[in-house]
Amino acid sequence: DAKTTQPPSMDCAEGRAANLPCNHSTISGNEYVYWYRQIHSQGPQYIIHGLKNNETNEMASLIITEDRKSSTLILPHATLRDTAVYYCIVRVRGLGGTSYGKLTFGQGTILTVHP
Amino acid sequence: EAGVTQSPTHLIKTRGQQATLRCSPISGHTSVYWYQQALGLGLQFLLWYDEGEERNRGNFPPRFSGRQFPNYSSELNVNALELEDSALYLCASSQDRAETQYFGPGTRLLVL
Repeated sequence: DAKTTQPPSMDCAEGRAANLPCNHSTISGNEYVYWYRQIHSQGPQYIIHGLKNNETNEMASLIITEDRKSSTLILPHATLRDTAVYYCIVRVRGLGGTSYGKLTFGQGTILTVHP
Repeated sequence: EAGVTQSPTHLIKTRGQQATLRCSPISGHTSVYWYQQALGLGLQFLLWYDEGEERNRGNFPPRFSGRQFPNYSSELNVNALELEDSALYLCASSQDRAETQYFGPGTRLLVL
């Protein structure tokens, strides 16, 4: 699976949009971009995933560049409860690739939302 | 819809003992995954079970084992506990093989 690079930490003011970048320059054509977040000492929470088109759900938007080498997770109106570690993961869905079922978590980005 | 549930929430054992952790997947999910998150370290993949079979295993010694039951729930067993086994153990489930994984709240294991 392709490796990802994320900034170690970011700050955001409450009510503003939080834009979390992820670089995955070695991504393969059949690899999806997944985002999870982990609030302190809790299990990771699935946020969103996409292949090449931009995606939006009730939690966030995912913008993937045309060359698919990077993506941005957007939390449109950050709240204090969005303070968490955000993980960007790229993997093949299904049984293909070397991941074979596992998610490989990096260090993620610690997002701190300030009042 | 109920999420992934894990029990117990906390477990305290002494070195050399055995620990059993349990996981119930989301209804309709057939795959169960186990991860370990030791203090200050990232999440490490442990095991993947699907349809009662072990499908993949992470870089952990054989004393980490598990099984999946016909109702798709799963157990993780850790034998001969060592101090460094102290960690948050997370279970996840997916509807189909290797699809989107949804995590439970975890079991915090402390080995004294």
